[in-house]
Amino acid sequence: GAGVSQSPSNKVTEKGKDVELRCDPISGHTALYWYRQSLGQGLEFLIYFQGNSAPDKSGLPSDRFSAERTGGSVSTLTIQRTQQEDSAVYLCASSFAGSYNEQFFGPGTRLTVL
Amino acid sequence: TQLLEQSPQFLSIQEGENLTVYCNSSSVFSSLQWYRQEPGEGPVLLVTVVTGGEVKKLKRLTFQFGDARKDSSLHITAAQPGDTGLYLCAGFAAGGGADGLTFGKGTHLIIQP
Repeated sequence: GAGVSQSPSNKVTEKGKDVELRCDPISGHTALYWYRQSLGQGLEFLIYFQGNSAPDKSGLPSDRFSAERTGGSVSTLTIQRTQQEDSAVYLCASSFAGSYNEQFFGPGTRLTVL
Repeated sequence: TQLLEQSPQFLSIQEGENLTVYCNSSSVFSSLQWYRQEPGEGPVLLVTVVTGGEVKKLKRLTFQFGDARKDSSLHITAAQPGDTGLYLCAGFAAGGGADGLTFGKGTHLIIQP
């Protein structure tokens, strides 16, 4: 499909384990965003990639969170030593240069930390 | 830091009624977007408004950008159960964090049949 895809769609893990979440943005979109959404809440910005520039990590809640974007396309969000408060839906969005940063979102990954 | 406040946070009305939700800020935005999110899915862009005073219509939905580009409203006429969802506004301000994009916390809308 032509939309943003994320995997896995659901992830259940045990407290203390590491998890990796993947995002495939729309081809040609230069900007990629990660957000976190707790149940019924709005979006919490985590990290932003634009082209080859250094990412804006200002939203990462702790040093247990990291993200990379390889080749300006696919991105991986890694959470180390997961905690129960990390349970949420993690959303990825991409946008193209020249837009008003209009976001195209993936379906999200629902993370549950037991 | 630009903040966007949405009101009301929750709204439950009967099918066929009209409603308005608001998105307000003390900051000026170059443009403002509205998204709708249904359970289990990511938000979907509904509209972008860019000019102060601009009004855009999308079927039964009317979006307005304030003259000073600090606020916006979404009006739904004759609401349908399919309008149920979380409505998010997002403002774009050049030079802001995350390349200028700020999201509000959303309005949860439930349309009862």
